[in-house]
Amino acid sequence: GQQVMQIPQYQHVQEGEDFTTYCNSSTTLSNIQWYKQRPGGHPVFLIQLVKSGEVKKQKRLTFQFGEAKKNSSLHITATQTTDVGTYFCAGMDSSYKLIFGSGTRLLVRP
Amino acid sequence: NAGVMQNPRHLVRRRGQEARLRCSPMKGHSHVYWYRQLPEEGLKFMVYLQKENIIDESGMPKERFSAEFPKEGPSILRIQQVVRGDSAAYFCASSTAVNEQFFGPGTRLTVL
Repeated sequence: GQQVMQIPQYQHVQEGEDFTTYCNSSTTLSNIQWYKQRPGGHPVFLIQLVKSGEVKKQKRLTFQFGEAKKNSSLHITATQTTDVGTYFCAGMDSSYKLIFGSGTRLLVRP
Repeated sequence: NAGVMQNPRHLVRRRGQEARLRCSPMKGHSHVYWYRQLPEEGLKFMVYLQKENIIDESGMPKERFSAEFPKEGPSILRIQQVVRGDSAAYFCASSTAVNEQFFGPGTRLTVL
């Protein structure tokens, strides 16, 4: 079945440093979505990428969707303590089903 | 403009009891999804429902688990004869058609 792998599992950075998490799917995706989950909280939708090679920005966050629509990345510039949480990618194939990656937990030292 | 609502937020059951988890989707959303999350892990798809229909239950264990989304009222995830391995956070999400999903706060189930 379809699998979505995400690395790294953990990332511990100093406040102000950059952070990147990567997502790879075993199959071509129709779209990819990114979610953030704070400790003890629920996943919150961040963005959806649909087009091959698409790049979207939200303030310090940059999201990319690969040309082959099988991989994606999230980059945070100059992390802040408010960025702490687990970032999940979720790939949608030709059906409606979202397959979540295992997540990258970001810890930020003040 | 209430978001997705789930209750209870925390549920404690003894082995062998039944657990009923409820989810009210966002207003106007007719698609409901249930996910399970174990500690330190990602979300695992369980079931996708539309009103009165189960569209896909491929992620749900064949035994003891069932889900419904009746014409009136919330969606229900029911776990019969719970075991310790059922302890997890259960999240419900809703959407309009095939679109971004809005998650509820989750139900944390603990089986003693």
